[in-house]
Amino acid sequence: GAVVSQHPSWVICKSGTSVKIECRSLDFQATTMFWYRQFPKQSLMLMATSNEGSKATYEQGVEKDKFLINHASLTLSTLTVTSAHPEDSSFYICSARLGRGLAKNIQYFGAGTRLSVL
Amino acid sequence: AQSVTQLDSQVPVFEEAPVELRCNYSSSVSVYLFWYVQYPNQGLQLLLKYLSGSTLVKGINGFEAEFNKSQTSFHLRKPSVHISDTAEYFCAVSVAGAQKLVFGQGTRLTINP
Repeated sequence: GAVVSQHPSWVICKSGTSVKIECRSLDFQATTMFWYRQFPKQSLMLMATSNEGSKATYEQGVEKDKFLINHASLTLSTLTVTSAHPEDSSFYICSARLGRGLAKNIQYFGAGTRLSVL
Repeated sequence: AQSVTQLDSQVPVFEEAPVELRCNYSSSVSVYLFWYVQYPNQGLQLLLKYLSGSTLVKGINGFEAEFNKSQTSFHLRKPSVHISDTAEYFCAVSVAGAQKLVFGQGTRLTINP
């Protein structure tokens, strides 16, 4: 149980285009999903917290207009990197958590998306 | 605010030897503690967690960790490692009532034959 699917696993795009990454909880309903960014050989950096049906909460320094997050259902959150530039190239990982009890403190992660902007 | 320190950035170990990956945290309130493993070009897989109850927790792949409140530590151990354990290991903490996970910088475990 608690499987999170992330798609695509790898995307290459031209500078100036937009890219959408999907994060799905396959066997549970996720009231909260998280988006992280990871640079090579570094830890995860939280970008934003996404609650179903409400606006995402962005971490300090993360551009809301560059990284659009939508959490329209209890099983799907999307991250759109708008007008991508080479400096946006990175590994993006989503996570989701259950909504009840102590288990709500556990985050389950997707397999990540490697974005390369040419 | 809470923080997590993983004291070793890299740990080389011979196959079948025991290993301990160290993790210390700082928080003034109750915490939940986690260890995740990341294989190359993959997401994070939950190894084990401490939410409540017994301070010795057992996880997948033969790993275990002990929550030591007085020393604010949550070290990860395995009595005998395998080549397949080569990966990056992350310790993480969340505070009761908060949503966020705070991660340590990671420890690269390398198993040598």
